[in-house]
Amino acid sequence: GQQLNQSPQSMFIQEGEDVSMNCTSSSIFNTWLWYKQDPGEGPVLLIALYKAGELTSNGRLTAQFGITRKDSFLNISASIPSDVGIYFCAGQNRGSTLGRLYFGRGTQLTVWP
Amino acid sequence: DTEVTQTPKHLVMGMTNKKSLKCEQHMGHRAMYWYKQKAKKPPELMFVYSYEKLSINESVPSRFSPECPNSSLLNLHLHALQPEDSALYLCASSRTPNQETQYFGPGTRLLVL
Repeated sequence: GQQLNQSPQSMFIQEGEDVSMNCTSSSIFNTWLWYKQDPGEGPVLLIALYKAGELTSNGRLTAQFGITRKDSFLNISASIPSDVGIYFCAGQNRGSTLGRLYFGRGTQLTVWP
Repeated sequence: DTEVTQTPKHLVMGMTNKKSLKCEQHMGHRAMYWYKQKAKKPPELMFVYSYEKLSINESVPSRFSPECPNSSLLNLHLHALQPEDSALYLCASSRTPNQETQYFGPGTRLLVL
């Protein structure tokens, strides 16, 4: 299957700092998604990106769909303790293969107060 | 409303037991998915139902048996599981099988003894 490389694997930051994580693929996608997962819960959709070059914000979160369609990044500004969790990127090719999601390995974020 | 519900939240079963996981959505979505997730790993696709018909089986062992009684419900029947089947089982749905974003339920934490 398609391999997604997500980095960093983990981050330990202080409250108020900004965070950046990214995802790269060996294949192109026409959709990039970013999910956050709290312990024992299901992934929650944060941002969906549908066009190459698209930059989308959701509160303190900003994500971009790379021009090459093989990468995406997620930024979190002014982190707070509730940002703790695992962030997964996912690539998807809508219109084919029944919309299968290809996940990155996740970025574990820890925020110190 | 993007809610997918799953019951039970936790389940402990022996290797000879038969149990079922349930998933429900009332968003009118016509694609539903089962994923298995191990700790600190991304979700792994197990099954996809498209318009109440099984469309993808990712070579899942027959001790896992999915069922889609109607467009709102998805079950996963479990029988003779192994301890390595212990994981978080996630249900997801999307409006159509290959065009729309997937929304996840909170999951069922399964422990096989």
